[in-house]
Formats: sequence, structure tokens, C-alpha cells
Amino acid sequence: DVKVTQSSRYLVKRTGEKVFLECVQDMDHENMFWYRQDPGLGLRLIYFSYDVKMKEKGDIPEGYSVSREKKERFSLILESASTNQTSMYLCASSSFLDYLNYGYTFGSGTRLTVV
Amino acid sequence: GENVEQHPSTLSVQEGDSAVIKCTYSDSASNYFPWYKQELGKRPQLIIDIRSNVGEKKDQRIAVTLNKTAKHFSLHITETQPEDSAVYFCAASNTGNQFYFGTGTSLTVIP
Repeated sequence: DVKVTQSSRYLVKRTGEKVFLECVQDMDHENMFWYRQDPGLGLRLIYFSYDVKMKEKGDIPEGYSVSREKKERFSLILESASTNQTSMYLCASSSFLDYLNYGYTFGSGTRLTVV
Repeated sequence: GENVEQHPSTLSVQEGDSAVIKCTYSDSASNYFPWYKQELGKRPQLIIDIRSNVGEKKDQRIAVTLNKTAKHFSLHITETQPEDSAVYFCAASNTGNQFYFGTGTSLTVIP
């Protein structure tokens, strides 16, 4: 039944490491998103993608990059992890044509701790 | 771009009472307004939504109202139960490409 899968539930990384967060969806959605969730700040958009090899910056892209080589997979990359990137990361997907029926589907989240 | 504001940030109610969460949006072109519930440690899940051509929608104990003129929409939960305790997010969208989320409301239902 799980339709958006994030590869890791919990991650602990060291400062300066390169970190990859993976997200896979099996609904053939065109749109995929990476959000960061912090207490009191809600869901903040980092990057999103409308199509394969396409990416757009969200509200807080600094320190992050993304990759979408295949339609079903959207990766978030922390080039050099820092402690202020400790957070819950949520991936989501949506259908461009069918969003009025289904909205977003979220993954279970990856709780990243940078030490 | 769109700006969605959500209030209150925290809400405590006694079991059986009603809870109301309000959101405002800025872009008059927004036409889809979903609400998500996120239980502790779980993913946000869609619980109800409303389109701009509808003023109110109800699903059992939850309802959503939309006032397009005032650009605000609200979530109403009646006869609250402890399992309603969660964080609720509102969102607005005018395309299929991006949703704009409110900052969330943490609802606690006190038994």
C-alpha cells in the first residue's frame, strides 16, 4: 500500500559528510517534492521537480541539491552536512493532472541528525 | 507567490468538544484546499479537501468551509476524540504543481 518510499527512517551523519536521501514513488506522478519539517516552522519546500531531469528551487535550497534521473526517483543531496540541517525530511509526489482528486502523497520521512 | 497562514499553532480541547482551525491565503487564483493530518511519527495524510467551486464539505465528524471572497478556509472537527490528537496542516494550490502549506496546528484532545 505504501506508494512513496523514503529509503531511510533515521540517519546519523557527521558534519561535512555528503548525504543522499532517496525517495521513490510508484504512482507515475510527474511532480516530486522535498520538504523539511521543523517544530514551529511547518513544512518548508527545499526543491521540487516537474519532470525527469528538471528541478526548481523552493524556499530554502541553500546547502541542498537534487537529482531526478528517473520519473519515479527524486534524490536530495546535502553536499556538506552541517548541524543546522538536522531535521525531518519529507518527500511527496503529486499528479499534475489529477491533483484535485488526490493531492499530495507523502513519504514516511527521514529523521536526519548531523553530529 | 501564494502565502498561507494558519491559526492557532496549538489547540487543546476537551474530549467531545469541537475544534476549529483557520487558514488564510493570498492568491485569489488558488482553487484547491486540502487538509492533512500528521500523527506523531507518521507521514501527513490527506483527510479532507475542498475545491473553489464549493463552499462547504463534510465527512462524518470533520468539515471544511471556504470563503473565497475573504480568502479563508477552516477545518471543523466535532465530537473530538483522543485519536484526533495530531498536527494538522492546511494547504492551497492553483496548479497541480505546487501546494503551499500553513505552518501547522498541534491539536491535543484531553480525555
